[in-house]
Amino acid sequence: EVVLTQSPATLSLSPGERATLSCRASQSVSGSLAWFQQKPGQAPRLLIYDASNRATGIPARFSGSGSGTDFTLTISSLKPEDFAVYYCQQRSNWPYTFGQGTKLEIK
Amino acid sequence: EVQLLESGGALVQPGGSLRLSCAASGFTFSNYDMSWVRQAPGKGLEWVSAISTSGHSTYYADSMRGRFTISRDNSKNTLYLHMDSLRAEDTAIYYCATKDSTNYYYHWGQGTLVTVSS
Repeated sequence: EVVLTQSPATLSLSPGERATLSCRASQSVSGSLAWFQQKPGQAPRLLIYDASNRATGIPARFSGSGSGTDFTLTISSLKPEDFAVYYCQQRSNWPYTFGQGTKLEIK
Repeated sequence: EVQLLESGGALVQPGGSLRLSCAASGFTFSNYDMSWVRQAPGKGLEWVSAISTSGHSTYYADSMRGRFTISRDNSKNTLYLHMDSLRAEDTAIYYCATKDSTNYYYHWGQGTLVTVSS
C-alpha cells in the first residue's frame, strides 16, 4: 500500500503567518491526492483535490501543489479558524490511504 | 442536501461482531461508490473499505481484509459494514463517506462509535 508521510507533525504559527504542510508518498500517486481539514468533534472537510484544485467554497488562501511523491498544502495568511488538523489522502492505488496528519496550532 | 447517517455503533467484547449501517439521502445512492473511514480516539483518519455502485467490487485496508465485509442495499439506500473478530484496536468512530464530482470524499456522516472492550 502507499504510505503517506506528513510533516511536520505539529506546526505552531500565529494568525497572519504563512503555513506550509508537506505530504510525501512512498510511491508515485501521480496527481491523485487530496487535502482535508478536521476540527475537533467534526467530520473531515475536503479542501484540495487532484493536488491543486480547491473544493467548492474553499477560500483562495488555501492552495496545493505537487505531483508524483511530493505534495504541499499552503495557507497564505492564517486566520483563527484555520487552526486544525490537516490530512492528505491518495486515491491513486487501492487501498486508499491517509497521512497521519499535521496539527496546526496557534503559537 | 446530501445526508449520511451512521448507526449501529456499540460496546462489544473482543472477538465479537457488529454491523454498522449508513442511511443515505439527498442523492441517487445507486450512482455513487461508498466508503468507510475510521478514527481511533485522539488519532488520525484511517481508510477502511469501499464498494462500487453495484456492490460487485469491494476494497479493504490490509489490516481489515478478511474480518470486515462491506455491502450495500440500493433499494434501501443503505451502506453496511459487518465486522468480525473485533479487537481493541478497532475502537474508533466509523464514518461513511461518498465522493462528489471531484471524485474525492466530499460528503461525510457524523460517525458512529465502536468500542471494543471487555
